Amino acid sequence: QVQLVESGGGVVQPGRSLRLSCAGSGFTFSTYGMHWVRQVPGTGLEWVAVILYDGSEKYYADSVKGRFTISRDNSKNTLFLQMNSLRVEDTAIYYCAKDRGFCSGGTCYVRNWFDSWGQGTLVTVSS
Amino acid sequence: DIQMTQSPSTLSASVGDRVTITCRASQSISAWLAWYQLKPGKAPKLLISKASTLEGGVPSRFSGSGSGTDFTLTISSLQPDDFATYYCQHYNNYPLTFGGGTKVEIK
Repeated sequence: QVQLVESGGGVVQPGRSLRLSCAGSGFTFSTYGMHWVRQVPGTGLEWVAVILYDGSEKYYADSVKGRFTISRDNSKNTLFLQMNSLRVEDTAIYYCAKDRGFCSGGTCYVRNWFDSWGQGTLVTVSS
Repeated sequence: DIQMTQSPSTLSASVGDRVTITCRASQSISAWLAWYQLKPGKAPKLLISKASTLEGGVPSRFSGSGSGTDFTLTISSLQPDDFATYYCQHYNNYPLTFGGGTKVEIK
């Protein structure tokens, strides 16, 4: 079955960087768009970013645009989130999520809803 | 950006109760809406997509309805495993946004 395992969270000072990873298994990783979604403890969910199956397109929430970069290595079935210039308000549980996409005519598409999620990794930004 | 407003934010109910959660979009999103269930320490779970399509393996006591701007998630007979927080999410365009969540508590 689909398994997504995040890693790389921890405590970091404001202004510093952190890189999250998400290892996927149980599905053909290279044919699905992938997302990062975060949850500030005690509050709701916020979509962070998406990357298409081949990395050709990426979209971000305004709150992280210019500071975070989503990327993937399909040879290693791994998704990444490079987080720079971290702020206290970036403190959250970060989930990676698989898109319920589909492939047709040699191209794969995203549907932009999430059919599998990891258990999350906690990022705490604090001085 | 499309704003998603869920109500109520907290709901107290008993096993066997019928429960309805509403989600309103700030503009029409056709049927591009999903519902998720979150429990502490567990991976979130997709329940419904396209407003009313039940995900495989999700009990039939869950149902979704609506289109345009107004949507509902209904649990026909609340079970112990259903005490959790529920979120709606639109996927009409970017940025994708979620409702604020509805926590279903034991009465």
